[in-house]
Amino acid sequence: ETGVTQTPRHLVMGMTNKKSLKCEQHLGHNAMYWYKQSAKKPLELMFVYSLEERVENNSVPSRFSPECPNSSHLFLHLHTLQPEDSALYLCASSHDRGLGETQYFGPGTRLLVL
Amino acid sequence: GQNIDQPTEMTATEGAIVQINCTYQTSGFNGLFWYQQHAGEAPTFLSYNVLDGLEEKGRFSSFLSRSKGYSYLLLKELQMKDSASYLCAVRSTGTASKLTFGTGTRLQVTL
Repeated sequence: ETGVTQTPRHLVMGMTNKKSLKCEQHLGHNAMYWYKQSAKKPLELMFVYSLEERVENNSVPSRFSPECPNSSHLFLHLHTLQPEDSALYLCASSHDRGLGETQYFGPGTRLLVL
Repeated sequence: GQNIDQPTEMTATEGAIVQINCTYQTSGFNGLFWYQQHAGEAPTFLSYNVLDGLEEKGRFSSFLSRSKGYSYLLLKELQMKDSASYLCAVRSTGTASKLTFGTGTRLQVTL
């Protein structure tokens, strides 16, 4: 148990659907991250929030929309996705100060877009 | 930008020692992490190096040479449960600890 939870764990959606992924951290961290993990590809950083402000957007298509209402919660809103968006979506959190602040990951949401 | 290379797959025998290498090219290096990821599970933190040298933590050790852009993860007394992917990640400087990951090394431990 890493202190980072994600729901749902599995999601199947059509290309016209709208859904949201939720992440919650119970570690007192102030930075949160969304990653995409596709088969045989490195973990890809999508978004970074620090102190509830988005500090990084790695050229992610607008059909992915993050939201960070407070330091403990992070959402990823999905709409009009494509089949190539099928992947494991991982949330992580860390302290955002000093050196070597470790990121702790949630279990991920396995997304399948039909 | 960042470029991280590690072998795709490795196989080792239970009880043996295995070394997983990682080379990187980066701007603004601020530390290197190793994570373990079992199939279908979250990556879990193993080790962190920011200065040159060896960090030992039980059966696992990690080495860093910043001048060579090189790290390795050493696993001793291998157990079947060590079969997993091992991810090398480099931390860049900046406001938040941005990590760039390698593709991971899938380790298979056999009897």
